[in-house]
Amino acid sequence: AQSVTQLDSHVSVSEGTPVLLRCNYSSSYSPSLFWYVQHPNKGLQLLLKYTSAATLVKGINGFEAEFKKSETSFHLTKPSAHMSDAAEYFCVVSDGSRNQFYFGTGTSLTVIP
Amino acid sequence: EPEVTQTPSHQVTQMGQEVILRCVPISNHLYFYWYRQILGQKVEFLVSFYNNEISEKSEIFDDQFSVERPDGSNFTLKIRSTKLEDSAMYFCASSGGTVPLNIQYFGAGTRLSVL
Repeated sequence: AQSVTQLDSHVSVSEGTPVLLRCNYSSSYSPSLFWYVQHPNKGLQLLLKYTSAATLVKGINGFEAEFKKSETSFHLTKPSAHMSDAAEYFCVVSDGSRNQFYFGTGTSLTVIP
Repeated sequence: EPEVTQTPSHQVTQMGQEVILRCVPISNHLYFYWYRQILGQKVEFLVSFYNNEISEKSEIFDDQFSVERPDGSNFTLKIRSTKLEDSAMYFCASSGGTVPLNIQYFGAGTRLSVL
């Protein structure tokens, strides 16, 4: 069975400092993993995806994530937070054979000026 | 950039009433999905739709729910007789066409409030 655990429901960082949003997954298959971001009153926007190519994945807006199979993790990072990064972030695992998405509970990122 | 559009953004209804939530997927996509998020809980898969029929559905998607692609552009979710516990944010998504199947594009959601 597929599942995702986002270890922090809220993360607060100062502007210009690094961001780390943690995600661990469980999957019976070779997983596809995603990070989506949701700004208020907006749709879920794809930040980046891992689909069994390079384990370090670069996404939009300076975000990166590293797939670590031994740790079953897919943590999202950014070297320097910007005020516009304040949003809800969702880690998602896909069961490739059925294309269902399994969401984490989300992490709310606050960026302090 | 193409996007998935959902209407209305907020729907208020009385318990027992029928509601239809509407979605316009990205035009060349072939697969369509509905998810829901009850306040404070995870986003949950409801149903996927391809080639004018349901391809997968979760245990949540019972006989009260139905989906339809009535024309070439809209994708709708109907709840026949709403219950209080149907109150949630409902997200539509689409994939396929010229993008890989495993990348889904989501709308902004419809917040359904059942009174």
